[in-house]
Amino acid sequence: SQQGEEDPQALSIQEGENATMNCSYKTSINNLQWYRQNSGRGLVHLILIRSNEREKHSGRLRVTLDTSKKSSSLLITASRAADTASYFCATNSGNTPLVFGKGTRLSVIA
Amino acid sequence: EAQVTQNPRYLITVTGKKLTVTCSQNMNHEYMSWYRQDPGLGLRQIYYSMNVEVTDKGDVPEGYKVSRKEKRNFPLILESPSPNQTSLYFCASSYRLAPYNEQFFGPGTRLTVL
Repeated sequence: SQQGEEDPQALSIQEGENATMNCSYKTSINNLQWYRQNSGRGLVHLILIRSNEREKHSGRLRVTLDTSKKSSSLLITASRAADTASYFCATNSGNTPLVFGKGTRLSVIA
Repeated sequence: EAQVTQNPRYLITVTGKKLTVTCSQNMNHEYMSWYRQDPGLGLRQIYYSMNVEVTDKGDVPEGYKVSRKEKRNFPLILESPSPNQTSLYFCASSYRLAPYNEQFFGPGTRLTVL
């Protein structure tokens, strides 16, 4: 039951540029979370935004949530080579397990 | 250090030979979960556990078993592995299955079934 779907599937940018990834989902949610995965490693939680929030910041990360459009975006500003990873959105609806999307592969070229 | 550990990290086995992948967390989390990750399919949940002795099927439970006898451990059992279970497996835990809890992931177990 895949709910979140990230777009684009892959993104390649130069170091210093901003990277924007989008996530669309189908049903109403309690919260939406973004995770990062370095190649072959476990996912690491980045940020959580609740359904009653519209924007949240954490360092170079900015997440927006538009519940009317059932979509979220993750913006990484001033990207670095170390930001190269896959990024997943995950949604929580009620008292049910998180459902992950298929991810966006970000490559930051030095 | 707060963490989720998995063992083994890499395993090559043959069809039909029973195996267990262990998962342990030291954060006193109630909720634990197993996922498999395959190219193009993202992360799919196999089983999850809300607490000791409480387990539920996820999206792809066929061919797997789990148990939750203690809070910290949540082993994944493949009674008769088949090649289509070749995958990268992740264990994860969170304080509760509540709306606002982040999940902590283990480092992954790469399983190859020949």
